[in-house]
This record gives sequence, C-alpha cells and structure tokens, in this order.
Amino acid sequence: QITLKESGPTLVKPTQTLTLTCTFSGFALSTSGVGVGWIRQPPGKALEWLVLVFWDDDKRYSPSLKSRLTITRDTSRNQVVLTMTNMDPVDTATYYCAHRKVGVGGYYFDYWGQGTLVTVSS
Amino acid sequence: SYELTQPPSVSVSPGQTASITCSGDNLGDKYACWYQQKAGQSPVLVIYQDNKRPSGIPERFSGSNSGNTATLTISGTQAMDEADYYCQAWDPNTADVVFGGGTKLTVL
Repeated sequence: QITLKESGPTLVKPTQTLTLTCTFSGFALSTSGVGVGWIRQPPGKALEWLVLVFWDDDKRYSPSLKSRLTITRDTSRNQVVLTMTNMDPVDTATYYCAHRKVGVGGYYFDYWGQGTLVTVSS
Repeated sequence: SYELTQPPSVSVSPGQTASITCSGDNLGDKYACWYQQKAGQSPVLVIYQDNKRPSGIPERFSGSNSGNTATLTISGTQAMDEADYYCQAWDPNTADVVFGGGTKLTVL
C-alpha cells in the first residue's frame, strides 16, 4: 500500500526559506520509472505543479518557480525534501506530495499525501 | 507558458450526464488526465492518459482528448460525484506538468 505524508512548518515569515519533507512507504524511489512530485493549492484556488524527482535523480521544475525551488531525495530514508526560498504571503497554500503513476506514458499522480497547510505571515 | 482553461462551474441533475471541458493549444498532442477533489480532501486521479481509468474508479467516468479540448464525462451522475475537477496535461516536449483552473461540479 502506497502512502505519502508531508511534514514541516505551518508558519513561515516572509523572505524565509521553507523546507518540507515527504515521507513515503509502499514503493522505492530507486525503482525504474518511479517519481515523486510536489503540488500546492492556495486556499480556495487551483492546484499548481511545483516539481518532480525521478528514480534516476532526474528533476523537472515548474518554469515559473524554478529559481526558488530545490528538490532532493533520500532513498535510504524514503524521503523527498522540497526547499522554497524567499517565501511570500502569496505562497500560502496546502502543499501536497504525490506518487507518479508508473508504467504509462506521461506524468500523472495516482497517490497523494494529505497535504500540509503552510501560512506565510509576519 | 502553457495554459489550460476550464469552466468555473457545471451543474447536472442526478442520473444525467455531466461533461467538463479543458481547453489548451493543441492539447490533443499532449497527454491529459483528470482529478476529483472533494471538499477538504486530497485529489484523486479519475482519468489518465486521456481516457484510461485507474482501478477502483467507476465506469461512469470516461475521458477523451482531441484537437484543443479534453473532456471528462460522467454518465449517470450521482450526488457523490459533486466535487471540484481538475484537468492536468503533460507536454512530452518540455516534460512540464500543467493544471487547469478547476471546475466545480454541482449535482442538483
């Protein structure tokens, strides 16, 4: 059974760096085709894709946020860490990590974490 | 940047067919999928690779993608289908993932 869970601060100040951890089970990020992504959703608004990291450590970043994002993986601990710099109140959102569906063409997310709400405020 | 456009809301009567569209430039050349998100919950994948259903998703959910429009169709809509629906595309040329703005489906 695949599960993912996000963890990290619920409140950050403007200009600070946000670090979120996705801890997962039921799959190995070292297995061919596997990927883990981050998606966020501001309150009452749409989903926004942030980044994907793959089994071979290839990474795909949203072009609009690429300069502020870093994703790293720890396959031994089954974790993926997202870092977002220079946080602003508009970055207030629920941040989800999700498993990329394997074995098919394209990138889709078939398992999602419960999400973690991050508020940016002084 | 690539954009996907969805109608903000769609209404349907119970038992009828609901169609939710997602428009984007040459969307038919990309892979599309759909997520259902009920209030306070995480999204659930209901259609992937244009028209495939993950295991556990009812047969009343179907999808198509051609030209500039992808469509999610829900046949025999039930009250439990009331939710926000998001389309998502994957561009094989750029490997970017893009979400639509979401459509609120109301079952009247």
